[in-house]
Amino acid sequence: QKEVEQNSGPLSVPEGAIASLNCTYSDRGSQSFFWYRQYSGKSPELIMSIYSNGDKEDGRFTAQLNKASQYVSLLIRDSQPSDSATYLCAVNRPPSNTGKLIFGQGTTLQVKP
Amino acid sequence: GAVVSQHPSRVICKSGTSVKIECRSLDFQATTMFWYRQFPKQSLMLMATSNEGSKATYEQGVEKDKFLINHASLTLSTLTVTSAHPEDSSFYICSARPPNSNQETQYFGPGTRLLVL
Repeated sequence: QKEVEQNSGPLSVPEGAIASLNCTYSDRGSQSFFWYRQYSGKSPELIMSIYSNGDKEDGRFTAQLNKASQYVSLLIRDSQPSDSATYLCAVNRPPSNTGKLIFGQGTTLQVKP
Repeated sequence: GAVVSQHPSRVICKSGTSVKIECRSLDFQATTMFWYRQFPKQSLMLMATSNEGSKATYEQGVEKDKFLINHASLTLSTLTVTSAHPEDSSFYICSARPPNSNQETQYFGPGTRLLVL
């Protein structure tokens, strides 16, 4: 079992729709969860972090965390063609003070005009 | 957000040569930096944790004698790929952790694309 799992996609949505990206993780000791966006040929950029169960909203983005189910998701509302990228889920590797992150393989999102 | 730079952005070298990659935190001091490697169509794999003033800690399966890390100051970490071979061709990305912030927050450099012929 991979430590962090994502569906590689591609996930294709029409412009203006909601894109839903999912991620599961294996280590129940993980406490910090991140979503990064990576454009082709570029390095990842942080979109959101989430540490508590529930939802966290930032503009068009909403992160959702369910520690009991070991599941974290990212919703992108009003998807734009510029959102087309690979979205990486990252989870801290316990213990929490090491700063080490484990990344999923990423989900490729295609937003079609 | 915090700014992290890398140099060079791209390097092509012959097999057997050594390549040095620099990672700098431009507007903050970073006691800890991380080095990742990303092969095409794959995710980021953590290679090592670079600690200012002490030895780097390497992830399982990463050869410390092949990937030399030096974190000589609070704003600079270097990764040297020694005797590079074609299988070392990859996208190398560093990240840095600002002090006094959430300890898992990391900011990534733009990456260095290495091609070994």
